[in-house]
Amino acid sequence: NAGVTQTPKFQVLKTGQSMTLQCAQDMNHNSMYWYRQDPGMGLRLIYYSASEGTTDKGEVPNGYNVSRLNKREFSLRLESAAPSQTSVYFCASSENPGRVSPLHFGNGTRLTVT
Amino acid sequence: GDSVTQMEGPVTLSEEAFLTINCTYTATGYPSLFWYVQYPGEGLQLLLKATKADDKGSNKGFEATYRKETTSFHLEKGSVQVSDSAVYFCALGDSNYQLIWGAGTKLIIKP
Repeated sequence: NAGVTQTPKFQVLKTGQSMTLQCAQDMNHNSMYWYRQDPGMGLRLIYYSASEGTTDKGEVPNGYNVSRLNKREFSLRLESAAPSQTSVYFCASSENPGRVSPLHFGNGTRLTVT
Repeated sequence: GDSVTQMEGPVTLSEEAFLTINCTYTATGYPSLFWYVQYPGEGLQLLLKATKADDKGSNKGFEATYRKETTSFHLEKGSVQVSDSAVYFCALGDSNYQLIWGAGTKLIIKP
């Protein structure tokens, strides 16, 4: 089983460029999440989707947008990238809310904004 | 607000040593507590969890007990292996969807 698949694995952007990070899961999970991981700060939730058709802001949503395209796919878009968005981005999914069910993570996208 | 504090790393141990990684939390309600592990180049995966006070989570030789009186959830293992080298994250789940994460503790096990 592939689990959670993220693309691309690495990306370098110039300030002001846009891009979309793709995420797909094949576990028929209801909930999906986008996190960013920065050194010494743990993981911070950007957006989540509790179920197909819904999205909600997390702790650090500014500068990002998301789309829950269908049950499998949850994309993250940076409309105008800034150096502060240099980070490692993780997509995750869970069958039920994260408080109850374990989160399954992709292997991450390492983004550098110059 | 809710928060999680983990001991700073890296923690370096010899193989077969005893491991403790400290985690303390602040929360207004009765959260669930988790330990996740991240191996190099991979995403995080759940290691163990506890959902109420005095619960003990265990997996792969690791254990952690939910201590409400000390607001702690320390991770322990009796005899570590080189393959345990990873980054360990403590997390708190107070609401359904927003887990609060510690900063992570890097563990290095030397043969």
